[in-house]
Amino acid sequence: EAGVTQSPTHLIKTRGQQVTLRCSPISGHTSVYWYQQALGLGLQFLLWYDEGEERNRGNFPPRFSGRQFPNYSSELNVNALELEDSALYLCASSLERNYEQYFGPGTRLTVT
Amino acid sequence: KQEVTQIPAALSVPEGENLVLNCSFTDSAIYNLQWFRQDPGKGLTSLLLIQSSQREQTSGRLNASLDKSSGRSTLYIAASQPGDSATYLCAVEGGNKLVFGAGTILRVKS
Repeated sequence: EAGVTQSPTHLIKTRGQQVTLRCSPISGHTSVYWYQQALGLGLQFLLWYDEGEERNRGNFPPRFSGRQFPNYSSELNVNALELEDSALYLCASSLERNYEQYFGPGTRLTVT
Repeated sequence: KQEVTQIPAALSVPEGENLVLNCSFTDSAIYNLQWFRQDPGKGLTSLLLIQSSQREQTSGRLNASLDKSSGRSTLYIAASQPGDSATYLCAVEGGNKLVFGAGTILRVKS
């Protein structure tokens, strides 16, 4: 069974640009979560999507947004990139809410 | 607001030692607790999941316990090996999100 996949693996963007990160959950999983792991800040919850709807978001500005498609894959969009957005962005999926979360390999975003 | 603390922040042990990693959380209203392993620059690998109604889970050389009332969990690693070197993260689920500790960086010397 394929695990959670994310693309791209690495990304370099310039401050002010916009970026889209993609995540495909494990087959049969309906919940997708996004987390940010910035240097020195630890892993922080960004967004939770379930059945196509945004169900919860962490303490991040509105320029962090996303969506979940009918096939349960998800995109994370970050507008007006800032230097401090440089981080490893991790996607996780679970069978349902409050079930075990399985993580993808992450997308390393560098903002210069 | 849930806060998760992991002690120690770093640990270096010789190969073969048994070791314990500690995790504490402030709000006992959790659905479950997960222990993860993260290798440098990589994603997370789930090691053990303990539901809030459970007291412990075991997988191979790993044993995790949960005391929800006191807000504590421990991860016990038996007969440590150099391949166990990684960062170990504890996370509690509540409010439909995982709240992570800062992790324990483990180095097992051969």
